[in-house]
Amino acid sequence: GDSVTQTEGPVTVSESESLIINCTYSATSIAYPNLFWYVRYPGEGLQLLLKVITAGQKGSSRGFEATYNKETTSFHLQKASVQESDSAVYYCALGEGAGNYKYVFGAGTRLKVIA
Amino acid sequence: NSKVIQTPRYLVKGQGQKAKMRCIPEKGHPVVFWYQQNKNNEFKFLINFQNQEVLQQIDMTEKRFSAECPSNSPCSLEIQSSEAGDSALYLCASSLQNTLYFGAGTRLSVL
Repeated sequence: GDSVTQTEGPVTVSESESLIINCTYSATSIAYPNLFWYVRYPGEGLQLLLKVITAGQKGSSRGFEATYNKETTSFHLQKASVQESDSAVYYCALGEGAGNYKYVFGAGTRLKVIA
Repeated sequence: NSKVIQTPRYLVKGQGQKAKMRCIPEKGHPVVFWYQQNKNNEFKFLINFQNQEVLQQIDMTEKRFSAECPSNSPCSLEIQSSEAGDSALYLCASSLQNTLYFGAGTRLSVL
C-alpha cells in the first residue's frame, strides 16, 4: 500500500547544529507522487514547508532542503544550522499528482532545538 | 500562511451529543478536505468536496457524520452522535494544484 515512514521523535538538537529528518515512502497506488514537508509550530496550524513534484529535484524553504529521490524512495529533510525557532513537529507526506486527491502522511517528528 | 479558517478552535461535547465544526476554504481552491488527526498524530481522511459535491468519503463519515460544502457558505462537518473515540483534532484543508493548505483545526473532546 501507500505509506510514509519518518524519523521517530522526539529529536533534540543544539542550536547551530545540522539536522536531518528521514522520510521514506511507498507509492503503490499513486502513479505520480508529489512529496511534501509540513510543519506545525507550537500553538499554530499545519503549514506547508516545501513541496517537490519531480523526481531528482530539490525543494527549499526557510533554510530547509529536501530532494525527491525516486531510486531510494526518500525525501529527507535537512538543515545546515538549526535555530530555536525551528522547534516544531514536521510531517512528511505524499500526494497524488494526477487528480486522485489521495494524500498519505507520516506520523510526524517532533524537533526540539536547545540553546 | 494559509487562509483556511476553522471554527471553533475547541469543542467539548458529551457522548451522544452532536458536534458541528465549520471551515471556510481559501478562495479559489476547488477541493476541500476533512481529516481527523488522533493523539498518535495519525491522519485519517474523512471526506472531500469539489464544487459542493462529495468526491470521496469513508464509511464512517457516511454513517455517522453529516457534511456539506455549500456555495457562498462555510463548509461544515457534524458528528450526529459523538463517541469518546471521536476525540481528536479535525483538520480542514483546501487544495490548489495538488497541494493541501490546512486550517488550524478544531480540537474536539468528547467527555
